[in-house]
Amino acid sequence: GENVEQHPSTLSVQEGDSAVIKCTYSDSASNYFPWYKQELGKRPQLIIDIRSNVGEKKDQRIAVTLNKTAKHFSLHITETQPEDSAVYFCAASNSNSGYALNFGKGTSLLVTP
Amino acid sequence: EAGVTQSPTHLIKTRGQQATLRCSPISGHTSVYWYQQALGLGLQFLLWYDEGEERNRGNFPPRFSGRQFPNYSSELNVNALELEDSALYLCASSFSGNGYTFGSGTRLTVV
Repeated sequence: GENVEQHPSTLSVQEGDSAVIKCTYSDSASNYFPWYKQELGKRPQLIIDIRSNVGEKKDQRIAVTLNKTAKHFSLHITETQPEDSAVYFCAASNSNSGYALNFGKGTSLLVTP
Repeated sequence: EAGVTQSPTHLIKTRGQQATLRCSPISGHTSVYWYQQALGLGLQFLLWYDEGEERNRGNFPPRFSGRQFPNYSSELNVNALELEDSALYLCASSFSGNGYTFGSGTRLTVV
């Protein structure tokens, strides 16, 4: 089955700096890669996703890049703000498995003012 | 538009008992997914239901089971509860992978 590795497990940055979280996956059939943000005690919220026919996608301060050959994808957050502090999860899935998500173990991001 | 709703919010059970968790998907969504979020273990895929059938399951024992009803709502049953089953159980719904949305979860505590 699919195995998703996520690094780092914790990340502390100063407000205004950039944050990068990296994930690798093992199943070459995976073709959908979402990123979720989970604040304490709340449900995971989709922040951005990318499909395998695209190499990069951007939404305001958030961008995701995908390297299918190397089987890795990354989340980039620019101009971080304290409200970006949360746990971020990457996931990989494919249409054959009905988009059942295989998650990384999460990155706890702390943005200090 | 109502989101994915789960009930109950919290559930306390004794080891060996059975727990039943419920999920109502977003209107128009035919797929329901169940995930377990245990402390320190991240989010793990449990089950996927679509059009009333179990389509895929994660690496969990058979005492984790469920079903999907004709109105696409779903329930997750956990039999012979063990202490390590204590976790947040999240339900998500989608239509062919689109609009994937999580519910707020059911916090199951096994004592």
